[in-house]
Amino acid sequence: ETGVTQSPTHLIKTRGQQVTLRCSSQSGHNTVSWYQQALGQGPQFIFQYYREEENGRGNFPPRFSGLQFPNYSSELNVNALELDDSALYLCASSPEASGLYNEQFFGPGTRLTVL
Amino acid sequence: KNEVEQSPQNLTAQEGEFITINCSYSVGISALHWLQQHPGGGIVSLFMLSSGKKKHGRLIATINIQEKHSSLHITASHPRDSAVYICAVSRNDYKLSFGAGTTVTVRA
Repeated sequence: ETGVTQSPTHLIKTRGQQVTLRCSSQSGHNTVSWYQQALGQGPQFIFQYYREEENGRGNFPPRFSGLQFPNYSSELNVNALELDDSALYLCASSPEASGLYNEQFFGPGTRLTVL
Repeated sequence: KNEVEQSPQNLTAQEGEFITINCSYSVGISALHWLQQHPGGGIVSLFMLSSGKKKHGRLIATINIQEKHSSLHITASHPRDSAVYICAVSRNDYKLSFGAGTTVTVRA
């Protein structure tokens, strides 16, 4: 049991709308990463937050934004939704970084459908 | 070209057979991960390794850093092993780059 939870499980939106996805990390995990997984493909890195600051970003436009809170929860916000944003969105948390790469613990994902 | 390539894309085996999934990568890495994803989406980390070999139950993961290649083996496969197996590499502290996954189906 990883202890990482995500909400909602499923979500349907229409083009142009905005969406907020939520993740609750394991207690003590100061790093959270977000990934987008299109159907039949491997996940793609969106960004990572460490201690409430963005710590790295993949090839995603600025309409993908995030927040991390002191209570180990975080959000992924997507503005101006496009059809291609339909995907499974995964968050993963890691323990306090110690200079070595830590194993990531994944949540169950939120499946977003944009119509 | 993707930084991480997996083969085969799909694999069907009979229960009890030995299964091998291969992963090749094109960049220097700090660690390689094997992940398992069941229908519905949840991902479980199976192994994280940077050299040699690791074993957990019927699963064995090996890596050859010089050849930039890793394999995941499943011994005595069982229908409950049916899942998508994903190889991912990390090059720094913040990013994982993933392969497209190998869909494994084990028939009883």
